Amino acid sequence: GAVVSQHPSWVICKSGTSVKIECRSLDFQATTMFWYRQFPKQSLMLMATSNEGSKATYEQGVEKDKFLINHASLTLSTLTVTSAHPEDSSFYICSAPDRGPAEAFFGQGTRLTVV
Amino acid sequence: AQSVTQPDIHITVSEGASLELRCNYSYGATPYLFWYVQSPGQGLQLLLKYFSGDTLVQGIKGFEAEFKRSQSSFNLRKPSVHWSDAAEYFCAVGAKGGGNKLTFGTGTQLKVEL
Repeated sequence: GAVVSQHPSWVICKSGTSVKIECRSLDFQATTMFWYRQFPKQSLMLMATSNEGSKATYEQGVEKDKFLINHASLTLSTLTVTSAHPEDSSFYICSAPDRGPAEAFFGQGTRLTVV
Repeated sequence: AQSVTQPDIHITVSEGASLELRCNYSYGATPYLFWYVQSPGQGLQLLLKYFSGDTLVQGIKGFEAEFKRSQSSFNLRKPSVHWSDAAEYFCAVGAKGGGNKLTFGTGTQLKVEL
């Protein structure tokens, strides 16, 4: 199956700094990628849809100025958490659809801890 | 809007016993249904999916699921659980034409007793 690689796997940062997370489709092109957030013991919640060459679409309640998304190429989307705060600590995971009608392949996720 | 309910937050089974994880969905048309497994600190691995056709779907690792339209359910089953199956299981629904966005259930944590 298709492979989606996410980097880094974990990161610790200080409050007020910014962190960039990369999501790459390794063996296929993805004009769309999805970013999810998962708090401890909870399910995955869709944050935004990343669109290659255009602006991302954010879900209700997600601050677009805080979670900057860039989809600069057909194989790379980045999520930048700006001015991070401890409440942003979470597991962030991306997905990219392959040729199937609704199937998406997930990266391994990034554990962000803001101290 | 679509939604998914996984009624069981935690389930404990003995190794070798059978397993059924429940999933109910809400969607106006025929949904696309998925089961994913997540090990601690890891990403999601697709176990199986249903798009159309045969309502009994076979997946990896010996798992299967049955789509029952009348009950709006897509329960996951395994006849004999292995200790390595201990993980978090998520049911998800996707909408036709929804661009591969998935709505996830809250997950079921499976514990396997030796």
